[in-house]
Amino acid sequence: EDKVVQSPLSLVVHEGDTVTLNCSYEVTNFRSLLWYKQEKKAPTFLFMLTSSGIEKKSGRLSSILDKKELFSILNITATQTGDSAIYLCAVSGANNLFFGTGTRLTVIP
Amino acid sequence: SAVISQKPSRDICQRGTSLTIQCQVDSQVTMMFWYRQQPGQSLTLIATANQGSEATYESGFVIDKFPISRPNLTFSTLTVSNMSPEDSSIYLCSVTGGSYEQYFGPGTRLTVT
Repeated sequence: EDKVVQSPLSLVVHEGDTVTLNCSYEVTNFRSLLWYKQEKKAPTFLFMLTSSGIEKKSGRLSSILDKKELFSILNITATQTGDSAIYLCAVSGANNLFFGTGTRLTVIP
Repeated sequence: SAVISQKPSRDICQRGTSLTIQCQVDSQVTMMFWYRQQPGQSLTLIATANQGSEATYESGFVIDKFPISRPNLTFSTLTVSNMSPEDSSIYLCSVTGGSYEQYFGPGTRLTVT
């Protein structure tokens, strides 16, 4: 059965901290792994990773994929209150996009 | 990425009634997807809607409960029929980008009383 597991489920940090969010997966016919940020209703696309070991970076956010270990991490450095959101990991398989349950990040001023 | 709009943004409905959610995209797309996100849960794919053919439903979802229309390459509707409180969710439509990524509409928050 295809599955995507994220950890931790929730995380509370102070502004300026660095956080690492984890995503492990077992998906048939893996095509890509995607990270989304969900603040209210709509998930906002952050990254798509298809190759192992190549870091994607956007400002304070970065992500890397390990296709051997079936694992990805999302790093956020120098966190800000605006980073507070649910971060979703999704894996594209043969026909579908499988979502994890997300990590709820709360950044305290 | 495509610009996606959804209507309504939110609604409160009585059990037993039906609600149709509209999804409009600013460019032509082959595939559109409908997801449900129940409170505290992640996104679950309801169905994939291709223009000119019947929607493909995922396990646990049936056409009688969630009929979908796809009259052209920029528009789709999802109807939630004979609603119960368990249908209270956020409903999202999405489209694919240039590769495997999907972009989501702003969502419809449905509350069934």
